[in-house]
Amino acid sequence: GIQVEQSPPDLILQEGANSTLRCNFSDSVNNLQWFHQNPWGQLINLFYIPSGTKQNGRLSATTVATERYSLLYISSSQTTDSGVYFCAVGGGSNYKLTFGKGTLLTVNP
Amino acid sequence: NAGVTQTPKFRILKIGQSMTLQCAQDMNHNYMYWYRQDPGMGLKLIYYSVGAGITDKGEVPNGYNVSRSTTEDFPLRLELAAPSQTSVYFCASSLRAGGTEAFFGQGTRLTVV
Repeated sequence: GIQVEQSPPDLILQEGANSTLRCNFSDSVNNLQWFHQNPWGQLINLFYIPSGTKQNGRLSATTVATERYSLLYISSSQTTDSGVYFCAVGGGSNYKLTFGKGTLLTVNP
Repeated sequence: NAGVTQTPKFRILKIGQSMTLQCAQDMNHNYMYWYRQDPGMGLKLIYYSVGAGITDKGEVPNGYNVSRSTTEDFPLRLELAAPSQTSVYFCASSLRAGGTEAFFGQGTRLTVV
């Protein structure tokens, strides 16, 4: 099956800083999603981005499918951005998403 | 829109007890999934369904059962709960298998003591 690696595993920022989270995957995909798991455990859909670039406010994401990686950019971070960011991928007619282990982001005031 | 709704949000079970985790979606999605998340890990697939009456095993199905009698509902049954089933359970749905966005419920935090 597809392997998913996320980096870094942990990241500590001061409020206002920018960050880049990376997701590498081992095979071609037709589904790639970024999620934010907040401190209450909820999984929030951030981006559905199997290829290309999308932006939503302070967050943006880019997937380069041919090189098998995706990047999540967080600008002007806020304390509410804290939590775990997951990348999940799916390939072909595969029914499931394979999740990475996540990046734990802590934004300090 | 409600999206994917899970109940209950929290539950404590004693070893050997049984329970059903409920999941409903109102997006008319064909595919539904149950995942579990253990501490510090990503999610692993327990069971999935491609439509009413059709279910199949995922990566970690042992100790669980599912049914899908309607498009909207996909309950997960735990028989003879064990401490190894202490986890957070997420239900999800998508329109089809590949190439479409999956939507997740709020999760059920289950503790088996």
